[in-house]
Amino acid sequence: GAVVSQHPSWVICKSGTSVKIECRSLDFQATTMFWYRQFPKQSLMLMATSNEGSKATYEQGVEKDKFLINHASLTLSTLTVTSAHPEDSSFYICSARDNQPQHFGDGTRLSIL
Amino acid sequence: QQQVKQSPQSLIVQKGGISIINCAYENTAFDYFPWYQQFPGKGPALLIAIRPDVSEKKEGRFTISFNKSAKQFSLHIMDSQPGDSATYFCAAGFGNEKLTFGTGTRLTIIP
Repeated sequence: GAVVSQHPSWVICKSGTSVKIECRSLDFQATTMFWYRQFPKQSLMLMATSNEGSKATYEQGVEKDKFLINHASLTLSTLTVTSAHPEDSSFYICSARDNQPQHFGDGTRLSIL
Repeated sequence: QQQVKQSPQSLIVQKGGISIINCAYENTAFDYFPWYQQFPGKGPALLIAIRPDVSEKKEGRFTISFNKSAKQFSLHIMDSQPGDSATYFCAAGFGNEKLTFGTGTRLTIIP
């Protein structure tokens, strides 16, 4: 089956630092990757959609200068949380697809102190 | 029109019973309806999906029932087991557009 690997699974860092999260499709080429944020006991909130070689499309209310997304190849997308603050602490999940369905990574728990 | 409404928010079912989760949508352009299962601290995993040309799809203990005229679809888990305890999300999409997710149902299977 399709496997999406997300790294790191857990990161703790100081306020003001930048954090990069990687999302890789291991056994298929992902034309589209999605980044979600999930708060405890809530649904998935789509942050942005990225297509390989194109600029990401951000959802309304998501700061594109704070959440930098790069989709440099058909198997790798990165999300960089710039100048992270405690309110950015959350569970970030990526997904990837060629066509349907979307396949999800196991998420990254980000804690900003 | 992009919303997908999911119910119930939480569900407790006895082991061996049938768990039923319902979703309703408005956008008639949706043509793909997956269900995802999520365990704590993990990403969602695709469980089963259906397209509107069929009214039912079964995979093992999991069945999707689809009612196009009512714009509703549901997940049935037969012979529910404690290992099925998780949060379930329905979703809807069309073409290569992004998925719209329901609000989730926390399922607990008790012995």
